[in-house]
Order: sequence, then structure tokens, then C-alpha cells
Amino acid sequence: QLQLQESGPGLVKPSETLSLTCTVSGGSIRSNNYFWGWIRQPPGKGLEWIGSIYYNGLTDDNPSLKSRVTMSVDTSKSQFSLKLSSVTAADTAMYFCARQGQSGSLYGSHDSWGQGILVTVSS
Amino acid sequence: DIQMTQSPSSLSASVGDRVTITCRASQTISSYLNWYQKKPGKAPKLLIYAASSLQSGVPSRFSGSGSGTDFTLTITSLQPEDFASYYCQQSYSLPFTFGPGTRVDIK
Repeated sequence: QLQLQESGPGLVKPSETLSLTCTVSGGSIRSNNYFWGWIRQPPGKGLEWIGSIYYNGLTDDNPSLKSRVTMSVDTSKSQFSLKLSSVTAADTAMYFCARQGQSGSLYGSHDSWGQGILVTVSS
Repeated sequence: DIQMTQSPSSLSASVGDRVTITCRASQTISSYLNWYQKKPGKAPKLLIYAASSLQSGVPSRFSGSGSGTDFTLTITSLQPEDFASYYCQQSYSLPFTFGPGTRVDIK
């Protein structure tokens, strides 16, 4: 069964870069049928799609984050990563990684998720 | 960006009730509409994809309908484990966007 697990610091200082990694197990990150995505939920608020990456490095991201997002993938480690630069308190959120359908009726849906990691931006 | 709205924002219901949640897109999204269940401290769970397709393992009391701009999630007989928040998400165009959520709590 596919499993995803986020890892990274739970506390980041303002203006610094948030860095998270998602490790995929129980399935191949090199699948042609899926992107690998990041979604976040600030405390008490709704869900926001951050972006996604294909196993070959192709990325899509949310323009609302004003080019602060960098994503990468390491297929040898079955991992993909998120970097969010110049963070502020508004970036405090639960961050989830998820598998994202790449085509057909599952396109854009997220059918497997990590448990999430809370990242707080504070000095 | 496509804006998603949901109504109601919250509702109170009893076990066994039929519950209907509505989602509306700011422009047509065909059937690229997904529904998720979210419980506090847990990851979202995909319930319905492509507006009306039931995700594997999801109970048949959940159903989705609609196309274009107006969509509905229905729970035919609410169970104790269904008390949660529900989010719609459009996957018609990037950036993918979610609705603000509907909280379903116990009456």
C-alpha cells in the first residue's frame, strides 16, 4: 500500500526558507500516471494547493506564492521536496504531500496523502 | 484562478440524516470536481473524483453529482464517523483550488 511521509523542521524563522521532503514507499515515484503534490492548511483555514512535480522534474506551482516555491525530485531515494523561500507568519500551516492524478478522470485529484507536518514560522 | 464556493459553511445533523453539500465554481469546470473529507489532525481523504466517481474503499452512502459550475455531495445516511469537514476541489485548470469547506457536526 502506498505511503507518503513528510519530514523537515517544524519551526522556521521569518525570511528564511522552509524545506520539506516527502518519502514515498509501497509504490513507484516513477509512475507515468501521477504527479506528486504539496497542499497546505493554515490553522483554522482551508486547503491550498501549492504545486506538484512529475518524476522527470516537470513542475506546476501556484502563482499566488509569487515564485517562492522550488520543487525537486530524487527518484533514487523515492523522495520529492519543497522549498518555500522568504517565509512569513502567513506560511504557518500543516503541510501535506500527496499523490496527484496526472491524466484521465483522476486528473488533479489527490488519492494518497502523507499525515502532514506542522510548520510554524516564528522567530 | 477559478474560485470555488460551498454552501452551507456548516450544518448540524443527526445520525441517519441525509446531508447535501453544494459546491459552485466561478466558471465551467466540466466534471473536474473532487470531494474530500477532512478530520482534525488527519490528512484529507478523497471521496469522489470526476464529480461522481466513488473512490475505491469509500462507502456507497457518499455520492456526487453535477457538471459545469454546480455540484453536489450527498451522504444518504449520516454515520458517526462522517462528522468532519468536506472540501470540493476543481482540477480543471491550474492552479487547482479548493472550496472553503463545509463542517458537518452533531445536532
